[in-house]
Amino acid sequence: GAGVSQSPSNKVTEKGKDVELRCDPISGHTALYWYRQSLGQGLEFLIYFQGNSAPDKSGLPSDRFSAERTGGSVSTLTIQRTQQEDSAVYLCASRGVGETQYFGPGTRLLVL
Amino acid sequence: QKEVEQNSGPLSVPEGAIASLNCTYSDRGSQSFFWYRQYSGKSPELIMSIYSNGDKEDGRFTAQLNKASQYVSLLIRDSQPSDSATYLCAVNRGTGFQKLVFGTGTRLLVSP
Repeated sequence: GAGVSQSPSNKVTEKGKDVELRCDPISGHTALYWYRQSLGQGLEFLIYFQGNSAPDKSGLPSDRFSAERTGGSVSTLTIQRTQQEDSAVYLCASRGVGETQYFGPGTRLLVL
Repeated sequence: QKEVEQNSGPLSVPEGAIASLNCTYSDRGSQSFFWYRQYSGKSPELIMSIYSNGDKEDGRFTAQLNKASQYVSLLIRDSQPSDSATYLCAVNRGTGFQKLVFGTGTRLLVSP
């Protein structure tokens, strides 16, 4: 079946603009995660959705970041008033009943 | 102190040798441990998970866990050039498979 997909694959924006990043998880996976990976760095946890439970937002770096998951499937990560330090690869992962998180290809965000 | 620490490398080994990748973690309550492989420009993929003290073998890969020393390692036997990648150690502090904390990764270079 299809894996995790993310769009856009690349996004270039100007400082101060808002951006929306989309994640389509593997069908049937109830858990969905967003991570950020800056150049040469590990993965930084941002937010976690599990079924209908309230999301774990403890990793969001500021109130400019928000995410939602509609219908328990597609998720959108929104960054408002982007800053240059927001430039990174944003990775989405989904998980079914096991322990494996399956990652999407990521969205490479560049804020000029 | 970072919650999950790895030597950034690069770790250079000749083809056919054993590559040893190490990871330490700070939270004694950590329950689950994972090794992800990330090729340059690609997303991470899970290669090993380990939950109990001792060794776990899967093909050429062996994960080793020592909870008393808060240490987890990955051994790659008969290293191949195709093993050249960044290896990310990830730790789940709680029960279940909720939120992983990733190290910054160790870059492995296997020379032919």
